[in-house]
Order: sequence, then structure tokens, then C-alpha cells
Amino acid sequence: AQKITQTQPGMFVQEKEAVTLDCTYDTSDPSYGLFWYKQPSSGEMIFLIYQGSYDQQNATEGRYSLNFQKARKSANLVISASQLGDSAMYFCAMREGDSNSGYALNFGKGTSLLVTP
Amino acid sequence: DVKVTQSSRYLVKRTGEKVFLECVQDMDHENMFWYRQDPGLGLRLIYFSYDVKMKEKGDIPEGYSVSREKKERFSLILESASTNQTSMYLCASRGWKDIFSYEQYFGPGTRLTVT
Repeated sequence: AQKITQTQPGMFVQEKEAVTLDCTYDTSDPSYGLFWYKQPSSGEMIFLIYQGSYDQQNATEGRYSLNFQKARKSANLVISASQLGDSAMYFCAMREGDSNSGYALNFGKGTSLLVTP
Repeated sequence: DVKVTQSSRYLVKRTGEKVFLECVQDMDHENMFWYRQDPGLGLRLIYFSYDVKMKEKGDIPEGYSVSREKKERFSLILESASTNQTSMYLCASRGWKDIFSYEQYFGPGTRLTVT
């Protein structure tokens, strides 16, 4: 079963506007973490933001914020004041468990964001 | 800065060839991962390694094997390459001391074409 669902294959947003990329997840583990990565056309994966399941406040990093709604199992990424350089693929991912043995991440299928002038 | 490097950005191999993809990290990380990325499918885990000589199968290990003889190096091996293994391969690493961030650091990827 898909653990991470990103329902928007592609999104458009105008420069300087805000955009929300959706992510829902499925886990029965009480301890988990949610990530967002950005992948520009060059291919490298860039870490954007992280939210732990026990974190009381929504994570923010500059223009990125994570709208974490635990009861709905959603972890949407909000990009404020979009820039042309934000055009990329965006992946939501989850790690389950609390072990330090290095659990791998489960990734969604990604959302392609295009920022237009 | 953490650096994860992969031996090739682009690779073209023939069906049936044995293929080695190398990944090296310079941060003394214990955990290393190999993912495969295909359009519309996201990233899928092939294998990962907790530590030297330790390995665990991921979601799609069939047709692949791995080797971790040294802490900094994690190799992905395609014993007999097939056309359905044409894909982008991404290596990542993470250290045990990153217990609060859990962040994985990715290499630039290897785009493999099997003809």
C-alpha cells in the first residue's frame, strides 16, 4: 500500500504568489517524521524541511512551511512568494520508527511545480 | 559540508553486462542507501546498509546486489543488466549522530541506460 500520496502530478503558480503542495501519509507507528525534498532539472535532491510526529509546532524554513495536520495525516508544503527558481519536482517522504539504525525513507511520486512570470 | 559522490553521472551499458555503480560519502556516515527513480513512480528503495558489511533489502531488490566493504563506500551491482533497469539511481547517506534531523544526504545521481 502506498504510504505517501501526492495527488497533484503538476502544478502552476505565478511568481510572487503562494502555493501549497499536498501530501498525505499512512502509518500506524506513533513515531515518524515527514520530509520535503526539491529536485531541480539538474537532478540533485535538496532537503527543504522536516517535521517530527511529536513536534508541537509546524516546521518553517525561510519561505517554506509545513502545514502538519496529524489527525488528517497530512503534511502539505507551503511555499510563500514563489520564485522562478522554485520550478522543480517536489517529493514528500516519511521515515517510520525511532531507531537510530537508519531507516530508509518512503517517497511519494512527486509534484512538478512550474512557476510562471 | 556533507559530500556524497557517485562514480558516473551518465552510463550506457549493454544487456547482460555486469554493472557497478559506486557511491562514496565523506562524513563518516553509518547508513547508506540506494534508490531508483522512475518518472511517475518517485524514489524506490533498492538496498540499504546499517554499517560496514551490513545490508538489508529494500522494496525492489530483485536483479540487484550491494557491497559495503568500507564505511565510506556503498556499491550497487547489476549482475546481468536488463533494459528494465534503465533508470536514475540515487545514493544517499545518513549518520547516527543525526538523531534529531534524520536527514538523508543525496548524491547527484547516475542515469543508467541499458541497451
